[in-house]
Amino acid sequence: DGGITQSPKYLFRKEGQNVTLSCEQNLNHDAMYWYRQDPGQGLRLIYYSQIVNDFQKGDIAEGYSVSREKKESFPLTVTSAQKNPTAFYLCASSSRQGSTEAFFGQGTRLTVV
Amino acid sequence: EDQVTQSPEALRLQEGESSSLNCSYTVSGLRGLFWYRQDPGKGPEFLFTLYSAGEEKEKERLKATLTKKESFLHITAPKPEDSATYLCAVQASGGSYIPTFGRGTSLIVHP
Repeated sequence: DGGITQSPKYLFRKEGQNVTLSCEQNLNHDAMYWYRQDPGQGLRLIYYSQIVNDFQKGDIAEGYSVSREKKESFPLTVTSAQKNPTAFYLCASSSRQGSTEAFFGQGTRLTVV
Repeated sequence: EDQVTQSPEALRLQEGESSSLNCSYTVSGLRGLFWYRQDPGKGPEFLFTLYSAGEEKEKERLKATLTKKESFLHITAPKPEDSATYLCAVQASGGSYIPTFGRGTSLIVHP
């Protein structure tokens, strides 16, 4: 089945620690996105990538980093510089031709302990 | 700057009580408007894409419509399993294709 896989589903981070969230897609989509979702705030864009080896900051990129070495993969690192990382993180992908709606993974819930 | 406003924030219905959710948008040029359903603790599930004013799409008890300024998601005779948060997003034309999301409407359908 084609789709987007995020892992892990739950992640716990200690103070001062970097953690990496995985996102893999087999939809052959060029564009991939990372969103953060907090209660009452909707989806806020962290980073996006339209092609391999290229990515752009979104609205709330501070404290986060990404890479796009393969078309299928777009991992997100939450660094210690992100002061309030507890949130639900969503990865999405879309085609840049024809139907361009975004499809989402099941999310990773990150909690600081 | 693209903007999406959804109303109401929350809606409680009795089973069988039809209603509509609103999505107002401001975008320089609309390439597409999307509706998603999101269940608690899960990623949004794609429902519809609308491209031009006057267009309508239907799926089971849901019907989405589009004008030049807003979209409606009509829910006919809802069931408890329709309870979820419904998200609206717009995609501008001639740009990066990044969807801009509204904050969603939380729908609860009571049996």
